[in-house]
Amino acid sequence: DADVTQTPRNRITKTGKRIMLECSQTKGHDRMYWYRQDPGLGLRLIYYSFDVKDINKGEISDGYSVSRQAQAKFSLSLESAIPNQTALYFCATSDSRLTETQYFGPGTRLLVL
Amino acid sequence: GQQLNQSPQSMFIQEGEDVSMNCTSSSIFNTWLWYKQDPGEGPVLLIALYKAGELTSNGRLTAQFGITRKDSFLNISASIPSDVGIYFCAGQSRGGSNSGYALNFGKGTSLLVTP
Repeated sequence: DADVTQTPRNRITKTGKRIMLECSQTKGHDRMYWYRQDPGLGLRLIYYSFDVKDINKGEISDGYSVSRQAQAKFSLSLESAIPNQTALYFCATSDSRLTETQYFGPGTRLLVL
Repeated sequence: GQQLNQSPQSMFIQEGEDVSMNCTSSSIFNTWLWYKQDPGEGPVLLIALYKAGELTSNGRLTAQFGITRKDSFLNISASIPSDVGIYFCAGQSRGGSNSGYALNFGKGTSLLVTP
């Protein structure tokens, strides 16, 4: 079984709709991250969390919110989706004892019409 | 985030050829990482570099942390078809802002290998 899972894997939604992307991990890591990938732009950090009570904005947090419900779960929400949020979204985890090694989930492909 | 320049943007080579790609930064990093992303998958860590001047190998892959701490390169020797994918460099600096532990990614090098 995969250590970092993301649901759904694919999602099509309409402008203005609220959607949530889920991430779960069985690695026992304390740190979790949400990235967005666009063609030609690499990965950009949206939000990150060092622990259940810790939430931090990344490079491109506008239009997104997150919730760290438990150490193993980190969800990303789009309160009112817009077309330029169409992208591939990745969740990642790391262990604070070795912060550099981030392990990525398989990604969620989101299309906003 | 800090800007990373990764080149080349894409490479189209024949099986057996060697490959070289590099990343440069306008700022100093404490750590350089190289990831590979296969189609439909998340990035997977290939090599991690922690000291300026460090040269590390992982099978046919070799990467170096530049002396200035502002650059890194990745070499792949004797390429094979399964090397196809997108390769990303990532740099990390510690301290300062809250995002000090997050990674800054290059835009990727897309590698195609023909048999």
